[in-house]
Amino acid sequence: EAQVTQNPRYLITVTGKKLTVTCSQNMNHEYMSWYRQDPGLGLRQIYYSMNVEVTDKGDVPEGYKVSRKEKRNFPLILESPSPNQTSLYFCASSLFGGGIGQPQHFGDGTRLSIL
Amino acid sequence: DQQVKQNSPSLSVQEGRISILNCDYTNSMFDYFLWYKKYPAEGPTFLISISSIKDKNEDGRFTVFLNKSAKHLSLHIVPSQPGDSAVYFCAASADTNAGKSTFGDGTTLTVKP
Repeated sequence: EAQVTQNPRYLITVTGKKLTVTCSQNMNHEYMSWYRQDPGLGLRQIYYSMNVEVTDKGDVPEGYKVSRKEKRNFPLILESPSPNQTSLYFCASSLFGGGIGQPQHFGDGTRLSIL
Repeated sequence: DQQVKQNSPSLSVQEGRISILNCDYTNSMFDYFLWYKKYPAEGPTFLISISSIKDKNEDGRFTVFLNKSAKHLSLHIVPSQPGDSAVYFCAASADTNAGKSTFGDGTTLTVKP
């Protein structure tokens, strides 16, 4: 089954404790992206990757890191999480970059609470 | 500056009637517009798209209209069904900025039986 898998689905942690949210897709998609969803703010793009070893900032990259060493994986790293990063996070992938109108396939989300 | 806006946070319609969800944008460089539907505890799923060279795209019960001069698009669902109750996001992207996608805040549609 074609899917984007995020782990963990839920995490409660404390300020400053490094965490990684993993994202994996099995569709051989070149493009992957991370978003956060906050009440009243819709989905905001954090980082995206057009292909292996190619990453770029979205609209809200501060406090986040990403890497794309393999095509299928695109982990989101919070090196020193803070309470303002409490949010619902979505990973997405598409065959090519969103700039050519490709629909994105989303994971089911990771709810992070930073205390 | 919010480049994509969905000004109605919620919409309630009767089953069988038409649902019209609206989206406005400010960036004239956007080339593609997509609508996604999201159920609780799930990720968004793609619904329908339109490129800026068209003014209408239809897929079954779903039709998207684009008015470039007004920088406005709308999603029509006819007839509406209770299973259509979800949050709908519009999203936009530009060829000149490949990789970046801008989403609206979403509209919660409730279809009453």
